This record gives sequence, C-alpha cells and structure tokens, in this order.
Amino acid sequence: RKEVEQDPGPFNVPEGATVAFNCTYSNSASQSFFWYRQDCRKEPKLLMSVYSSGNEDGRFTAQLNRASQYISLLIRDSKLSDSATYLCVVMTTDSWGKLQFGAGTQVVVTP
Amino acid sequence: DAGITQSPRHKVTETGTPVTLRCHQTENHRYMYWYRQDPGHGLRLIHYSYGVKDTDKGEVSDGYSVSRSKTEDFLLTLESATSSQTSVYFCAISDNRQGGLPTMNTEAFFGQGTRLTVV
Repeated sequence: RKEVEQDPGPFNVPEGATVAFNCTYSNSASQSFFWYRQDCRKEPKLLMSVYSSGNEDGRFTAQLNRASQYISLLIRDSKLSDSATYLCVVMTTDSWGKLQFGAGTQVVVTP
Repeated sequence: DAGITQSPRHKVTETGTPVTLRCHQTENHRYMYWYRQDPGHGLRLIHYSYGVKDTDKGEVSDGYSVSRSKTEDFLLTLESATSSQTSVYFCAISDNRQGGLPTMNTEAFFGQGTRLTVV
C-alpha cells in the first residue's frame, strides 16, 4: 500500500462550481502536510500548507483529519486557471525531511 | 522564486552510459532531494540529503547514486543508464523551521526539471 494515496481523477468541474477531494496517508507519525499544484510538464509549486485547525487561502480551503488520516482540499468558485494536478505531500516524524508525495488528483475546469 | 536550478534541462543519452544531473541552490537550505516523475506514479523519491555528505536512499534508489560535497550542490548520477530511467527528474530543497533541529520542515521548492531520455 502506498503511504500517500489520492484519487487520480480527473474531476471535471464547471467554471464557478465547487470541487473537493481527499488524500489519505497511512503513517500515523505524519506531521506536516502540504498541497502542491502542478501544471502540465512544469515543476510542482506550493499551494498551501495544511494546519491542524484547517486553513483557508482565498478560494482554497484545506482540512486535516488526524483520526481518519486524511487531508482535503476544497476549491470554491472554480476558475479555468485552476485546471491542474494537485499533489498531496506528507512528512513524517520518524523520517524527518523526507517528503512523501501522492500521485496527484487532476482537476479540469470547463467553461 | 527560490534559487534552485537544474542542469541540464534536457538530455538524450545511450543505454549503458553514465549520466550526471546537477542541482544547484542559492538558498542555503539544509535538505535537498531528487525525485523522478513518471505517468501513473507521481513523484518518487530517489535520494535525499540532510546535510553536506549526509545522504539517504528513497524508494527508487537502485541504479542511482548521489553526492553532496557542499551545501549548494546535489548531484545525481546514473551509473549505467537504462531505458527504464527515461523520466523527468526534479530536484527540491527545504529547510528546518528552527534551524539545526529535526523539527517540522518548511515547504519544498522545486527546480524546473530535467527531461532525460535513454535510447
């Protein structure tokens, strides 16, 4: 079983709609969590860190559920420019500095 | 943007030849990583470094070696390239939030990637 798992999608979303997807992790020692965005053939870029209490950055909301070992990302009022692959990233306390990536969730926003 | 550059950006090489990819950073970050990305697999960790001359294996380290003789450079070597190593390679950097201690790291910043084709 992979340490970090994501639904690959694609999630086809009409412009202006809301989309949400999860990422599950298997290591209970996981400590730091991030969402990255990757555009086709480009390097991943940080979208937002995920904090225990949940956090919001504009149209993006991230949540952490430690009991069920998943994090989520919600995108409100989707824009065409939100089309990308969203990568879940986890770091664990038993291997500091070692980042584990999910395979990514593809989001396609349509006019 | 974080100061991290990869070279070369594109390379075509023949099976059996050695290849070295270079990652250079100007951020003085402690941690450096090499990942490969393939369709259906996402980003997989090859090797990473937590300091000068301190390196560790990732999940797909076979056929690869690394060296870090100074903070700013992390080299990835394919000792004898095979077609299965055709991939996009990304270097990344991150740092300790409180410096020196194994506390939570900052987010990772990535280089622009190296597209390697082994023929």
